[in-house]
Amino acid sequence: DAKTTQPNSMESNEEEPVHLPCNHSTISGTDYIHWYRQLPSQGPEYVIHGLTSNVNNRMASLAIAEDRKSSTLILHRATLRDAAVYYCILRGRGSGYALNFGKGTSLLVTP
Amino acid sequence: GAVVSQHPSWVICKSGTSVKIECRSLDFQATTMFWYRQFPKQSLMLMATSNEGSKATYEQGVEKDKFLINHASLTLSTLTVTSAHPEDSSFYICSARAGKRETEAFFGQGTRLTVV
Repeated sequence: DAKTTQPNSMESNEEEPVHLPCNHSTISGTDYIHWYRQLPSQGPEYVIHGLTSNVNNRMASLAIAEDRKSSTLILHRATLRDAAVYYCILRGRGSGYALNFGKGTSLLVTP
Repeated sequence: GAVVSQHPSWVICKSGTSVKIECRSLDFQATTMFWYRQFPKQSLMLMATSNEGSKATYEQGVEKDKFLINHASLTLSTLTVTSAHPEDSSFYICSARAGKRETEAFFGQGTRLTVV
C-alpha cells in the first residue's frame, strides 16, 4: 500500500478553520484518499473520501492536489468535539478494501 | 449513517481463558468485516479480514489459531481470543463494509480487553 505522511500533532483555536495536511507521493491512479478520525477510547469515524476532485460534506472538505500527491482535510470551524486523531489513508483495490492506519495527526482544539 | 455494534464494550478475563467479541452490522449487510487491535498510544493494526461464509484472511504475524474469527452471517462476525494472556490486553475494534463499491467503512465502538 502507498504510504501517507502526516504531522504528529496540530493545534487549533475553537471556531477557527483547521487545515490538516497529508502527503502521499506514491499514490497510484486507483487509490482513493480516505479520512477517518478517532476520539479517545472509541472506534474510528468516517470523515470524508475522494479520488481526484475536491469533496465537501457536512463534516469537512477535502482538497486534493492536482497531481494527487497531497491532500488537505479542512474543518471549517473547529469545535472542542473535533479534538481527535485524524487519519489519512489510501485505499486501493490491492488492499482488499481494508483500511491500513498510519499514526495520524492528533488535533488539539483550545477554547 | 450505518451502525456497527460491538459487544462487550469491555471485558476482564483470567489468563488462560477464552473471550468472544461480537460485531454486528445493525442496518446493513456486511459482506466484509475487518478486525483491528490497538495498543495504548498506538495506531490501529489490521488483524484479519473476513468475508461471510469463508475463512478469514489473517495479516502477517497474527496467529489464526489464537484469534479465531467466524463470519457466519452477513450481519455478525465474532473474534475469539483463545487462551488469553496479559499481552493480549488491548483495544479490539471491528469494521464492516457493505458491498464492494468504494464506500466508507463503519466501525464498532471497540472492546477493551484486560487479561489478568
